[in-house]
Amino acid sequence: KAGVTQTPRYLIKTRGQQVTLSCSPISGHRSVSWYQQTPGQGLQFLFEYFSETQRNKGNFPGRFSGRQFSNSRSEMNVSTLELGDSALYLCASSLGPDWETQYFGPGTRLLVL
Amino acid sequence: ELKVEQNPLFLSMQEGKNYTIYCNYSTTSDRLYWYRQDPGKSLESLFVLLSNGAVKQEGRLMASLDTKARLSTLHITAAVHDLSATYFCAGRNAGNNRKLIWGLGTSLGVNP
Repeated sequence: KAGVTQTPRYLIKTRGQQVTLSCSPISGHRSVSWYQQTPGQGLQFLFEYFSETQRNKGNFPGRFSGRQFSNSRSEMNVSTLELGDSALYLCASSLGPDWETQYFGPGTRLLVL
Repeated sequence: ELKVEQNPLFLSMQEGKNYTIYCNYSTTSDRLYWYRQDPGKSLESLFVLLSNGAVKQEGRLMASLDTKARLSTLHITAAVHDLSATYFCAGRNAGNNRKLIWGLGTSLGVNP
């Protein structure tokens, strides 16, 4: 069974630009969560989607948004990029919202210059 | 909101010795997770602990949960080099916003 895939794996952007990251969950998984990982703040929850609906949201500004499609694939968008948005963005999938185990993708490493 | 603290943050282990990582959390969490992350890699699920007194073991790693003390431990038996990685614990926030709250991670190195 294929694992969680994320594209692109690496991205370099400049301040003020916007970026869209993509996540394809494991086949049959309907919940997708997004996390930001930085050396200073560690792992922080961004949002969770299930059946195309955002179920939970972390404490991030409105520049961070996401969506989920009917095939469970998810995208997250960051508008007006700031230097502090440089991070590893991880996507995780699980069977459903009351998950026991989340399976993580390899991540997208974003560098904002 | 739930807060999760791990200690130690760094641990230099000698091969063959036993060690413990502690994960304290501040309020009710209905489950506790342990994950492993190798440098430059993603997160690998190790254990999910759902109830008080839960104990799970996989190879040289054993995790336990004490909900009354709000404490989970990850015990390493006879450390080997392959266990060098960063280990994270995470609790699930109770209430309506059931997000995972993560500890800062414990970076383990094993010396021969």
